[in-house]
Amino acid sequence: AQRVTQPEKLLSVFKGAPVELKCNYSYSGSPELFWYVQYSRQRLQLLLRHISRESIKGFTADLNKGETSFHLKKPFAQEEDSAMYYCALSGAGSARQLTFGSGTQLTVLP
Amino acid sequence: EAGVAQSPRYKIIEKRQSVAFWCNPISGHATLYWYQQILGQGPKLLIQFQNNGVVDDSQLPKDRFSAERLKGVDSTLKIQPAKLEDSAVYLCASSLGRTSVSYNEQFFGPGTRLTVL
Repeated sequence: AQRVTQPEKLLSVFKGAPVELKCNYSYSGSPELFWYVQYSRQRLQLLLRHISRESIKGFTADLNKGETSFHLKKPFAQEEDSAMYYCALSGAGSARQLTFGSGTQLTVLP
Repeated sequence: EAGVAQSPRYKIIEKRQSVAFWCNPISGHATLYWYQQILGQGPKLLIQFQNNGVVDDSQLPKDRFSAERLKGVDSTLKIQPAKLEDSAVYLCASSLGRTSVSYNEQFFGPGTRLTVL
């Protein structure tokens, strides 16, 4: 079975401070990991996926298979980063369905 | 391009009543998903369609939930009869559904917020 855990429901940081949103997963094979974001009154949207190794809006995430983690990081948080962040996992198989974590509400204070 | 459309945006019903949600995916997207998102939780997949066929409905409570995508485009999700625990946001998503790639990005609709009293 595949499982995604986001231990922090709420996270507050000050503008300009570093931010790290934690994500741990459980999966027996080689998963694909993603971060989705939902800004206030907007739709859920893909932020980044580990395979692309991109930096989106200053965010990066590294897949650590040893620790089964995929933490999302940004060195200098901005107020517009305030949103709900979901970590998600896609396993093998023809359906390749997504399993989401319960989300972390990030608030960046001025 | 137009995004995934869902209606209604909000629905309030009493328990044991029936309700239906509608989804229109992005044009050309072969794969359509319905998710249930209970307050404080992440989205949970209910059913996945590839064109008009069901790929995965293992988490769909089939005694009360049903979904169809008859012409491989629009889809409806129905609950009959509703229970209090069905109160949630129901999200529809679509993707290109290309089998030649490892991942097809899912694009989400705005959701339908259901309250069962």
